[in-house]
Amino acid sequence: DTAVSQTPKYLVTQMGNDKSIKCEQNLGHDTMYWYKQDSKKFLKIMFSYNNKELIINETVPNRFSPKSPDKAHLNLHINSLELGDSAVYFCASRPLWGDLNSPLHFGNGTRLTVT
Amino acid sequence: KNQVEQSPQSLIILEGKNCTLQCNYTVSPFSNLRWYKQDTGRGPVSLTIMTFSENTKSNGRYTATLDADTKQSSLHITASQLSDSASYICVVSKNSGNTPLVFGKGTRLSVIA
Repeated sequence: DTAVSQTPKYLVTQMGNDKSIKCEQNLGHDTMYWYKQDSKKFLKIMFSYNNKELIINETVPNRFSPKSPDKAHLNLHINSLELGDSAVYFCASRPLWGDLNSPLHFGNGTRLTVT
Repeated sequence: KNQVEQSPQSLIILEGKNCTLQCNYTVSPFSNLRWYKQDTGRGPVSLTIMTFSENTKSNGRYTATLDADTKQSSLHITASQLSDSASYICVVSKNSGNTPLVFGKGTRLSVIA
């Protein structure tokens, strides 16, 4: 009964391929996020969604396209993968947009390796 | 510029010893500061939150402090255990904007026997 679950945990693929990462939260939260953690372990926001609606796109290349079919799911599709896309991608959720007193609940990450 | 700086970058200590991790920030307007623990291969998990009026807060062997005047926070770990080996990330929330969270780069703590 993991609160925020991501699949797959590991993804190895070649340059130029298209891949998707899925995220689901069973916490009833309204807000979901995608973060990228680089090799130096720095977490950087990519997208923020509130009730299925995109709120923030932090200058992410348009090869990255998030999709939220409902507020419990936020998937990430990546086209034409590049070597620099190799990183760990974390999905996270929070109860309400703007509720800064609530912690982010993170999934366990998807390690993407592009060869 | 809104920034969060953590020190040291990495730290190795013997099991049973204490340690203190530092977080300095220039985020404004300040809302709160939260410490996360990230175990290897896992997502970050919140340890504690500090608001403007709080100076110190404990969560088991973890004690966080906040000095809002000097914009500094520390996380003190007492009687360290092997399971404390992790990255500790300081995150400051600001009271404005669509991207209110400012992340530090973390301190990598290794506790050895």
